[in-house]
Amino acid sequence: AQSVAQPEDQVNVAEGNPLTVKCTYSVSGNPYLFWYVQYPNRGLQFLLKYITGDNLVKGSYGFEAEFNKSQTSFHLKKPSALVSDSALYFCAVRDRGSTLGRLYFGRGTQLTVWP
Amino acid sequence: ETGVTQTPRHLVMGMTNKKSLKCEQHLGHNAMYWYKQSAKKPLELMFVYNFKEQTENNSVPSRFSPECPNSSHLFLHLHTLQPEDSALYLCASSQDISGTDTQYFGPGTRLTVL
Repeated sequence: AQSVAQPEDQVNVAEGNPLTVKCTYSVSGNPYLFWYVQYPNRGLQFLLKYITGDNLVKGSYGFEAEFNKSQTSFHLKKPSALVSDSALYFCAVRDRGSTLGRLYFGRGTQLTVWP
Repeated sequence: ETGVTQTPRHLVMGMTNKKSLKCEQHLGHNAMYWYKQSAKKPLELMFVYNFKEQTENNSVPSRFSPECPNSSHLFLHLHTLQPEDSALYLCASSQDISGTDTQYFGPGTRLTVL
């Protein structure tokens, strides 16, 4: 079975501080991993994805994520948080061997950045 | 968000009404998806279409009926819904359904069933 866990419903950080949003996954094979962000009353916006190669993936708006196979994690990070980063963040996984392309999403983590 | 558009953005309907949600993608993609987003729950995949053919129906009740007339348009026809069907319905598209493809989402339709 494939699943994604985002262990924190809420993450609060002060503007200018580094932020981390955690994600762990479970797949039967090797994963493709994605991060999306959702602002209020909007759809999900793609941030970044890990397909293969370098474990550190850089994405939009200064975000990056590190794939750690041994820990089955794909944590989202940003060196210096902005108030405008406040939003709902979703991690998603797809099994490399899947022919259906189904994405499995976590429940989301609400990030609040305080000025 | 001009890549994937959804109408209406908000919909209130009674349990006996019939309504339709519309999704259009302007990205030249071949695959389209319907998701249901409820508070505090992971996104639930409902339907997948690839080159206009339905490739997945994730055990969705028959009161939800999808239609994909071409690769750019996707509809979700609603009838005799229940209050627990109230949610944000998201449409997405991707180049195809292969593993590396990114899905791009529309803004969603906020549905309230009275």
